Amino acid sequence: DVKVTQSSRYLVKRTGEKVFLECVQDMDHENMFWYRQDPGLGLRLIYFSYDVKMKEKGDIPEGYSVSREKKERFSLILESASTNQTSMYLCASSILAGGQETQYFGPGTRLLVL
Amino acid sequence: LAKTTQPISMDSYEGQEVNITCSHNNIATNDYITWYQQFPSQGPRFIIQGYKTKVTNEVASLFIPADRKSSTLSLPRVSLSDTAVYYCLVAPTGGATNKLIFGTGTLLAVQP
Repeated sequence: DVKVTQSSRYLVKRTGEKVFLECVQDMDHENMFWYRQDPGLGLRLIYFSYDVKMKEKGDIPEGYSVSREKKERFSLILESASTNQTSMYLCASSILAGGQETQYFGPGTRLLVL
Repeated sequence: LAKTTQPISMDSYEGQEVNITCSHNNIATNDYITWYQQFPSQGPRFIIQGYKTKVTNEVASLFIPADRKSSTLSLPRVSLSDTAVYYCLVAPTGGATNKLIFGTGTLLAVQP
């Protein structure tokens, strides 16, 4: 079974703090993703990475950065947390088979910024 | 990318077959369709995927008509544990991974 783990299930941070969310996958997948999920808005892609040190912006990259130094690990960084970044953050990795992609998600990190 | 439209919510009873339809009128020739399931406080989980006609696995069936402008996820004999949000995604073959769009999905509520 593919396993995607996230460093924390719940986090509480203060406005202005630097926040690191870590994600690790154990299936040697090339692609990894960070989404945020808010009520009524579905999942929105923040960043994705298709290889070590490679990244591309998603739909809502503002206020976030990412790091992928090793294939299995993809980190999301909130440089200066703000209350509007309170959300559920989901990490995923994916495999492409027969031209069709399947994403595998972690359990999510629920972040509260006070 | 093709936009998808799903019902916001559906209700069902245990033991019934549930069909959730997704509309994707602008689907392109090389697009395929994927469905995910999400339980509260968990990440989405892959259910089924297909390009045309019918695909079946141990969990569900996926029906795609010839014009491919819609698709239907069929869950046989649902149980309470099938209560979840179901997402329909359309994406191009070959991977455009940064273009995947998860909408708000369909909340399926299964009652006893």
